[in-house]
Amino acid sequence: DAGVTQSPTHLIKTRGQQVTLRCSPISGHKSVSWYQQVLGQGPQFIFQYYEKEERGRGNFPDRFSARQFPNYSSELNVNALLLGDSALYLCASSLAFSLSGNTIYFGEGSWLTVV
Amino acid sequence: TQLLEQSPQFLSIQEGENLTVYCNSSSVFSSLQWYRQEPGEGPVLLVTVVTGGEVKKLKRLTFQFGDARKDSSLHITAAQPGDTGLYLCAGAIGGANNLFFGTGTRLTVIP
Repeated sequence: DAGVTQSPTHLIKTRGQQVTLRCSPISGHKSVSWYQQVLGQGPQFIFQYYEKEERGRGNFPDRFSARQFPNYSSELNVNALLLGDSALYLCASSLAFSLSGNTIYFGEGSWLTVV
Repeated sequence: TQLLEQSPQFLSIQEGENLTVYCNSSSVFSSLQWYRQEPGEGPVLLVTVVTGGEVKKLKRLTFQFGDARKDSSLHITAAQPGDTGLYLCAGAIGGANNLFFGTGTRLTVIP
């Protein structure tokens, strides 16, 4: 079975531009979470979507938005890109909403460089 | 402010040596996970601990959850070059649906 898949794997954008990152969860998983990992740091939670609804949001500005589709895939959008948005964006999927008794699986990430 | 602090931040050891990585917090976690991340890849789950005082072993890796569920440790016996990577601890608080990650420990095992 395929794991969590993300696209694109690498991309370069200019300040002020917008970017869309895509994620397909493991088959059967209904929860998708997004994390940002800046070089040299641990991942930081951005969003969780479950059953197509936003269920959690980290401390990120409104320039960050996301959505989940009927097939449970998800997109992360970032508007008005800043240099500080350069990071590895990780998608994670899990069966259920709660982490209790549940395991989340990470994709390989999308490397975003803002120049 | 980082919820989980890991130490050491960097560790370089010779093949065959033992090492311990620590993950500490003032918060109580309902579960704690350890991940290893290779350059350019996403974190890969190594273990989940949920009970205070719990010890889990995965071949040469031993994981322990503190009695108060505020801290954890990862001990590697006879380290090998294949153990090289970034080790991350991550905790869940209560019924929250997100993980709080530690600052990471970058391990290099020299052949």
